[in-house]
Amino acid sequence: QSVLTQPPSVSAAPGQRVTISCSGSSSNIEIHYVSWYQQFPGTAPKLLTYENNKRPSGIPDRFSASKSGTSATLGITGLQTGDEADYYCGTWDHSLGAGVFGGGTKLTVL
Amino acid sequence: QVTLKESGPVLVKPTETLTLTCTVSGFSLSTANLGVSWVRQPPGKALEWLAHIFPNGVESYSTSLRSRLAFSKDTSKSQVFLNMANVDPVDTATYFCARTVGYIQGIYYHDYWGQGILVTVSS
Repeated sequence: QSVLTQPPSVSAAPGQRVTISCSGSSSNIEIHYVSWYQQFPGTAPKLLTYENNKRPSGIPDRFSASKSGTSATLGITGLQTGDEADYYCGTWDHSLGAGVFGGGTKLTVL
Repeated sequence: QVTLKESGPVLVKPTETLTLTCTVSGFSLSTANLGVSWVRQPPGKALEWLAHIFPNGVESYSTSLRSRLAFSKDTSKSQVFLNMANVDPVDTATYFCARTVGYIQGIYYHDYWGQGILVTVSS
């Protein structure tokens, strides 16, 4: 059972927009910045966004993120088949004194 | 160019101690606010944060694994070591080390990751 809650799967057609939610609590998302990671099968996770809504160099602006209260959202526009991957949110939990991740969301581009 | 690489045994027996090494390059283990975390992923399952170590000596561990984990590091060799005692088949997973940016006003994220090492616990 992950500390952060994500939907197990989402799907959308190529070219469409999809959002992935990440629900936390007052001890994690509400008081700490959220990051998002993309992971293809058999590879390491890759940082997609950090500090709630910033993108590392090289990440296209099709990927955006936001945070409100105890929840965060990753948005992907102009979906491509190459976006099919698992997506994880992450942050720090003050009460646990530990890093935490969501359970991951599998994106299918139909 | 920042890189991290995990190394260690790919097969360990139950009850043994697993020692993993993370060798980093492109940054110093002495740089403030840059730490190294260990994250694992059982086959087909989600990421699980295990622990981190920062230059100021701060170490944090997963609450469920705290009693079995221990860090050490050799800054001169740019290596971080993680020991996991008394392993069990449920510890079978791919273990990743990652550079972690943290302890700056609520900021905490992993910006560079190693390729991971699959460790199987079996007799």
